[in-house]
Amino acid sequence: GAVVSQHPSWVICKSGTSVKIECRSLDFQATTMFWYRQFPKQSLMLMATSNEGSKATYEQGVEKDKFLINHASLTLSTLTVTSAHPEDSSFYICSARDRTRGAYEQYFGPGTRLTVT
Amino acid sequence: AQSVSQHNHHVILSEAASLELGCNYSYGGTVNLFWYVQYPGQHLQLLLKYFSGDPLVKGIKGFEAEFIKSKFSFNLRKPSVQWSDTAEYFCAVNAVNNAGNMLTFGGGTRLMVKP
Repeated sequence: GAVVSQHPSWVICKSGTSVKIECRSLDFQATTMFWYRQFPKQSLMLMATSNEGSKATYEQGVEKDKFLINHASLTLSTLTVTSAHPEDSSFYICSARDRTRGAYEQYFGPGTRLTVT
Repeated sequence: AQSVSQHNHHVILSEAASLELGCNYSYGGTVNLFWYVQYPGQHLQLLLKYFSGDPLVKGIKGFEAEFIKSKFSFNLRKPSVQWSDTAEYFCAVNAVNNAGNMLTFGGGTRLMVKP
């Protein structure tokens, strides 16, 4: 149980275009989802916390107008990278919290590798 | 704000060697502690976690970790590693009083086990 999926698993886009990444909790309801960014050989850095039905909370230094997050249902959150640039190339990982399993454990998706050319 | 340090960035071991990966955190309050593993090309998986109780916690695949509150540490151990343990290991901390319940990750330790 507690499976999180992401789509697509990898995407290549041209500079200036927008890319949407989906994060789904497959077998549980997730009131809270988290979006992370992982640069090569580095750790995960939290970008934002997404709560179902409300606006996302962004970490300091993360541009909310560039990284649009929508958490429209208890099983789906989306991250849209708008007007992508090569420096946005990274590995984006989402996680979800199962509210029935306690408040502190997160389940991670497989990640989406974004390459902006 | 809490922070997490993993002092070993790269570790190379031979099969059957013992493993200990260091993890220290800075936060004065109550914490929940996690170790995650990321195998090559795969997503993060939970190895073990500590919320309360016995400070020595056992996880999957023979891993264990000990929470030493006085040292703000949560080191990961395995008595005998296997080639299949080659992966990156991340320590993570969640401050219990953090309203957002967000995880703070350490920088990761890349383990390579030679067959």
